Amino acid sequence: ETGVTQTPRHLVMGMTNKKSLKCEQHLGHNAMYWYKQSAKKPLELMFVYNFKEQTENNSVPSRFSPECPNSSHLFLHLHTLQPEDSALYLCASSPRLAGGNLYHEQYFGPGTRLTVT
Amino acid sequence: GQQVMQIPQYQHVQEGEDFTTYCNSSTTLSNIQWYKQRPGGHPVFLIQLVKSGEVKKQKRLTFQFGEAKKNSSLHITATQTTDVGTYFCAGNNAGNMLTFGGGTRLMVKP
Repeated sequence: ETGVTQTPRHLVMGMTNKKSLKCEQHLGHNAMYWYKQSAKKPLELMFVYNFKEQTENNSVPSRFSPECPNSSHLFLHLHTLQPEDSALYLCASSPRLAGGNLYHEQYFGPGTRLTVT
Repeated sequence: GQQVMQIPQYQHVQEGEDFTTYCNSSTTLSNIQWYKQRPGGHPVFLIQLVKSGEVKKQKRLTFQFGEAKKNSSLHITATQTTDVGTYFCAGNNAGNMLTFGGGTRLMVKP
Protein backbone atom coordinates (compact mmCIF):
# COMPACT_ATOMS: atom_id res chain seq x y z
CA GLU A 1 0.00 0.00 0.00
CA THR A 2 1.78 3.19 -1.16
CA GLY A 3 -1.17 5.58 -1.42
CA VAL A 4 0.03 7.64 1.56
CA THR A 5 3.72 7.79 2.41
CA GLN A 6 5.40 9.24 5.46
CA THR A 7 9.02 10.09 6.26
CA PRO A 8 10.90 9.46 8.37
CA ARG A 9 9.48 6.21 9.71
CA HIS A 10 11.38 6.57 12.98
CA LEU A 11 12.69 9.72 14.68
CA VAL A 12 14.50 10.27 17.93
CA MET A 13 14.90 13.89 18.98
CA GLY A 14 15.94 15.87 22.01
CA MET A 15 13.64 18.40 23.62
CA THR A 16 15.56 21.33 22.13
CA ASN A 17 15.64 20.00 18.57
CA LYS A 18 13.59 21.12 15.59
CA LYS A 19 12.45 18.48 13.13
CA SER A 20 9.76 18.00 10.51
CA LEU A 21 7.57 15.09 9.54
CA LYS A 22 6.55 14.73 5.91
CA CYS A 23 3.48 13.15 4.36
CA GLU A 24 2.63 12.69 0.70
CA GLN A 25 -0.54 11.22 -0.75
CA HIS A 26 -0.82 9.80 -4.26
CA LEU A 27 -4.59 9.27 -4.25
CA GLY A 28 -5.76 12.57 -5.70
CA HIS A 29 -7.44 13.47 -2.42
CA ASN A 30 -8.15 17.00 -1.26
CA ALA A 31 -8.25 16.57 2.52
CA MET A 32 -5.28 15.65 4.70
CA TYR A 33 -5.01 15.01 8.42
CA TRP A 34 -2.50 14.57 11.22
CA TYR A 35 -3.25 12.10 14.01
CA LYS A 36 -1.42 11.19 17.20
CA GLN A 37 -1.54 7.59 18.45
CA SER A 38 -0.11 6.86 21.88
CA ALA A 39 -0.43 3.86 24.13
CA LYS A 40 -2.46 5.72 26.74
CA LYS A 41 -5.02 7.52 24.60
CA PRO A 42 -7.30 6.77 21.66
CA LEU A 43 -6.30 7.92 18.21
CA GLU A 44 -6.44 11.73 18.35
CA LEU A 45 -7.17 13.94 15.37
CA MET A 46 -4.77 16.91 15.53
CA PHE A 47 -5.16 18.94 12.33
CA VAL A 48 -7.39 18.91 9.27
CA TYR A 49 -6.70 20.51 5.91
CA ASN A 50 -9.30 20.69 3.15
CA PHE A 51 -8.10 22.01 -0.22
CA LYS A 52 -4.93 23.29 1.51
CA GLU A 53 -6.89 25.32 4.06
CA GLN A 54 -6.71 24.38 7.72
CA THR A 55 -10.23 23.70 8.91
CA GLU A 56 -9.59 22.19 12.33
CA ASN A 57 -7.01 22.50 15.05
CA ASN A 58 -7.97 20.21 17.87
CA SER A 59 -6.43 22.30 20.68
CA VAL A 60 -2.94 21.14 19.76
CA PRO A 61 0.00 22.85 21.54
CA SER A 62 1.89 25.40 19.46
CA ARG A 63 5.05 23.27 19.56
CA PHE A 64 3.34 21.34 16.74
CA SER A 65 3.04 23.44 13.59
CA PRO A 66 1.40 22.02 10.45
CA GLU A 67 2.00 23.14 6.89
CA CYS A 68 0.08 22.14 3.76
CA PRO A 69 1.68 23.65 0.63
CA ASN A 70 -0.64 21.74 -1.72
CA SER A 71 -3.27 19.00 -1.60
CA SER A 72 -0.67 16.24 -1.93
CA HIS A 73 1.80 17.25 0.76
CA LEU A 74 1.51 17.80 4.47
CA PHE A 75 4.19 18.61 7.01
CA LEU A 76 4.29 18.65 10.78
CA HIS A 77 7.02 20.89 12.18
CA LEU A 78 8.17 19.99 15.67
CA HIS A 79 10.07 22.16 18.15
CA THR A 80 10.79 22.04 21.88
CA LEU A 81 8.80 18.85 22.33
CA GLN A 82 8.23 17.09 25.64
CA PRO A 83 8.79 13.39 26.43
CA GLU A 84 5.00 12.91 26.60
CA ASP A 85 4.85 13.83 22.91
CA SER A 86 6.49 10.50 22.10
CA ALA A 87 3.95 8.61 19.99
CA LEU A 88 3.12 7.32 16.53
CA TYR A 89 2.17 10.24 14.27
CA LEU A 90 -0.12 9.19 11.46
CA CYS A 91 -0.99 11.12 8.35
CA ALA A 92 -4.23 10.40 6.52
CA SER A 93 -6.06 11.63 3.46
CA SER A 94 -9.62 11.48 2.19
CA PRO A 95 -11.34 12.68 -0.99
CA ARG A 96 -12.47 15.91 0.73
CA LEU A 97 -14.53 16.97 3.68
CA ALA A 98 -18.12 15.93 3.15
CA GLY A 99 -19.54 19.23 4.34
CA GLY A 100 -20.78 20.19 7.77
CA ASN A 101 -17.61 18.77 9.25
CA LEU A 102 -18.42 15.24 8.15
CA TYR A 103 -15.42 13.11 7.25
CA HIS A 104 -15.05 10.57 4.49
CA GLU A 105 -13.14 7.39 5.19
CA GLN A 106 -9.51 7.98 6.14
CA TYR A 107 -6.58 6.50 4.23
CA PHE A 108 -3.67 6.29 6.63
CA GLY A 109 0.06 6.32 6.02
CA PRO A 110 2.44 3.99 7.86
CA GLY A 111 3.24 6.61 10.51
CA THR A 112 6.35 8.12 12.07
CA ARG A 113 7.38 6.61 15.40
CA LEU A 114 8.63 9.62 17.39
CA THR A 115 10.68 9.36 20.56
CA VAL A 116 11.50 12.53 22.50
CA THR A 117 14.43 12.19 24.88
CA GLY B 1 -17.24 17.11 23.89
CA GLN B 2 -18.16 14.01 21.99
CA GLN B 3 -16.87 10.77 23.50
CA VAL B 4 -16.71 7.33 21.93
CA MET B 5 -16.19 4.32 24.18
CA GLN B 6 -15.29 0.84 23.00
CA ILE B 7 -15.50 -2.44 24.88
CA PRO B 8 -13.85 -4.74 25.56
CA GLN B 9 -10.34 -3.31 25.53
CA TYR B 10 -8.82 -6.76 24.90
CA GLN B 11 -10.22 -10.09 23.79
CA HIS B 12 -8.49 -13.46 23.57
CA VAL B 13 -10.33 -16.11 21.56
CA GLN B 14 -9.58 -19.58 20.31
CA GLU B 15 -9.45 -19.83 16.54
CA GLY B 16 -12.94 -20.65 15.30
CA GLU B 17 -14.72 -18.80 18.10
CA ASP B 18 -16.80 -15.70 17.47
CA PHE B 19 -15.82 -12.17 18.52
CA THR B 20 -17.77 -8.96 19.09
CA THR B 21 -16.67 -5.42 19.89
CA TYR B 22 -19.07 -2.68 20.93
CA CYS B 23 -18.90 1.05 20.38
CA ASN B 24 -20.96 3.65 22.28
CA SER B 25 -21.13 7.37 21.64
CA SER B 26 -22.14 10.08 24.09
CA THR B 27 -23.92 11.90 21.25
CA THR B 28 -26.05 10.92 18.26
CA LEU B 29 -23.87 10.26 15.24
CA SER B 30 -24.29 11.10 11.57
CA ASN B 31 -22.37 7.98 10.68
CA ILE B 32 -19.80 5.62 12.09
CA GLN B 33 -16.66 4.16 10.57
CA TRP B 34 -14.74 1.01 11.46
CA TYR B 35 -11.01 0.46 11.03
CA LYS B 36 -8.59 -2.42 11.58
CA GLN B 37 -4.97 -1.97 12.62
CA ARG B 38 -2.67 -4.98 12.40
CA PRO B 39 0.22 -5.17 14.91
CA GLY B 40 2.92 -2.77 13.76
CA GLY B 41 0.67 -1.42 11.02
CA HIS B 42 -1.62 1.52 10.44
CA PRO B 43 -5.43 1.75 10.60
CA VAL B 44 -7.18 0.50 7.48
CA PHE B 45 -10.75 1.55 6.69
CA LEU B 46 -13.27 -1.31 6.78
CA ILE B 47 -16.73 0.20 6.42
CA GLN B 48 -19.03 3.15 7.08
CA LEU B 49 -22.57 2.90 8.41
CA VAL B 50 -25.00 5.76 7.88
CA LYS B 51 -28.60 4.69 8.42
CA SER B 52 -30.35 3.97 11.69
CA GLY B 53 -30.47 0.20 12.27
CA GLU B 54 -28.20 -0.47 9.30
CA VAL B 55 -26.52 -3.89 9.04
CA LYS B 56 -23.68 -4.58 6.62
CA LYS B 57 -21.67 -7.74 6.04
CA GLN B 58 -18.19 -8.34 4.71
CA LYS B 59 -17.58 -12.10 4.54
CA ARG B 60 -17.30 -13.15 8.21
CA LEU B 61 -17.64 -9.58 9.54
CA THR B 62 -21.06 -8.12 10.43
CA PHE B 63 -21.43 -4.45 11.29
CA GLN B 64 -24.49 -2.91 12.95
CA PHE B 65 -25.54 0.67 13.63
CA GLY B 66 -28.02 1.16 16.47
CA GLU B 67 -31.52 2.49 15.99
CA ALA B 68 -30.67 5.62 17.96
CA LYS B 69 -27.40 6.05 16.02
CA LYS B 70 -25.42 6.17 19.26
CA ASN B 71 -23.95 2.67 19.25
CA SER B 72 -22.48 0.16 16.87
CA SER B 73 -21.01 -3.31 16.90
CA LEU B 74 -18.64 -5.44 14.86
CA HIS B 75 -19.07 -9.21 14.99
CA ILE B 76 -16.61 -11.69 13.52
CA THR B 77 -17.82 -15.24 12.96
CA ALA B 78 -15.36 -18.13 13.30
CA THR B 79 -12.23 -16.06 13.89
CA GLN B 80 -9.01 -16.84 12.06
CA THR B 81 -5.43 -15.91 12.93
CA THR B 82 -5.56 -13.32 10.15
CA ASP B 83 -8.20 -11.44 12.16
CA VAL B 84 -5.60 -10.48 14.79
CA GLY B 85 -5.33 -6.75 15.31
CA THR B 86 -7.03 -3.78 16.92
CA TYR B 87 -10.47 -2.76 15.74
CA PHE B 88 -11.45 0.90 16.05
CA CYS B 89 -14.75 2.62 15.60
CA ALA B 90 -14.86 6.33 14.75
CA GLY B 91 -17.89 8.49 15.37
CA ASN B 92 -18.69 11.15 12.83
CA ASN B 93 -21.01 14.02 13.68
CA ALA B 94 -21.50 17.30 11.89
CA GLY B 95 -19.95 20.10 13.90
CA ASN B 96 -17.61 17.76 15.74
CA MET B 97 -14.23 16.28 15.01
CA LEU B 98 -14.06 12.64 13.94
CA THR B 99 -13.70 10.82 17.28
CA PHE B 100 -12.10 7.41 17.58
CA GLY B 101 -12.86 4.86 20.24
CA GLY B 102 -10.03 3.34 22.25
CA GLY B 103 -10.06 0.18 20.17
CA THR B 104 -10.48 -3.52 20.94
CA ARG B 105 -7.38 -5.61 20.60
CA LEU B 106 -8.19 -9.07 19.31
CA MET B 107 -5.81 -11.97 19.87
CA VAL B 108 -6.52 -15.36 18.31
CA LYS B 109 -4.96 -18.60 19.55
CA PRO B 110 -4.41 -21.15 16.78
